Amino acid sequence: GESVGLHLPTLSVQEGDNSIINCAYSNSASDYFIWYKQESGKGPQFIIDIRSNMDKRQGQRVTVLLNKTVKHLSLQIAATQPGDSAVYFCAENTDRPNYGGSQGNLIFGKGTKLSVKP
Amino acid sequence: DTEVTQTPKHLVMGMTNKKSLKCEQHMGHRAMYWYKQKAKKPPELMFVYSYEKLSINESVPSRFSPECPNSSLLNLHLHALQPEDSALYLCASSPGPGGLAKNIQYFGAGTRLSVL
Repeated sequence: GESVGLHLPTLSVQEGDNSIINCAYSNSASDYFIWYKQESGKGPQFIIDIRSNMDKRQGQRVTVLLNKTVKHLSLQIAATQPGDSAVYFCAENTDRPNYGGSQGNLIFGKGTKLSVKP
Repeated sequence: DTEVTQTPKHLVMGMTNKKSLKCEQHMGHRAMYWYKQKAKKPPELMFVYSYEKLSINESVPSRFSPECPNSSLLNLHLHALQPEDSALYLCASSPGPGGLAKNIQYFGAGTRLSVL
């Protein structure tokens, strides 16, 4: 199940089950979104992205769903494996003015820790 | 290859020390970033360099001083840090500054900094 409190939200799943990690974003002007996986002692690793003009995108074993109406993003992992255990962050991109152009700016969500039980 | 290399992996320094963190990428990316990450928290943006110019400074204290010697290298110079500055410092790069293009940022493994 999922627990939210003073610490990092945690999702615990059985190996082989599907996982769903949710994320609420804040800015309706954000134009695309990225999911990152961060394993202990490592930097965030790109998993999948989705542009704001799409509502679903699939990768290998992962699917991202975007609901702009309620500003909600989810990451689905099929057949979860022990190697999927990590903290997962969603990030929204919002452009900021820069030298007459614009600079992309990622805002990270709080993160969800996924634990896979063998 | 989407590799961003950071050195050192670990750093312990006193409050009067001067040290530097280094970041290198050879993907031809034109935007590079410094983030600070505390335990169980998301990365927080500190600085952005776009085409070797400082593009964003998120009101970071002057004891942190970034430098971009060329398009492949990014440094973070540290001086007179406080114990609360202890954190994981992450470097990232992206193909361009973003705008209409996708701004996928690729991260290094980070430098774990401890300030005593």
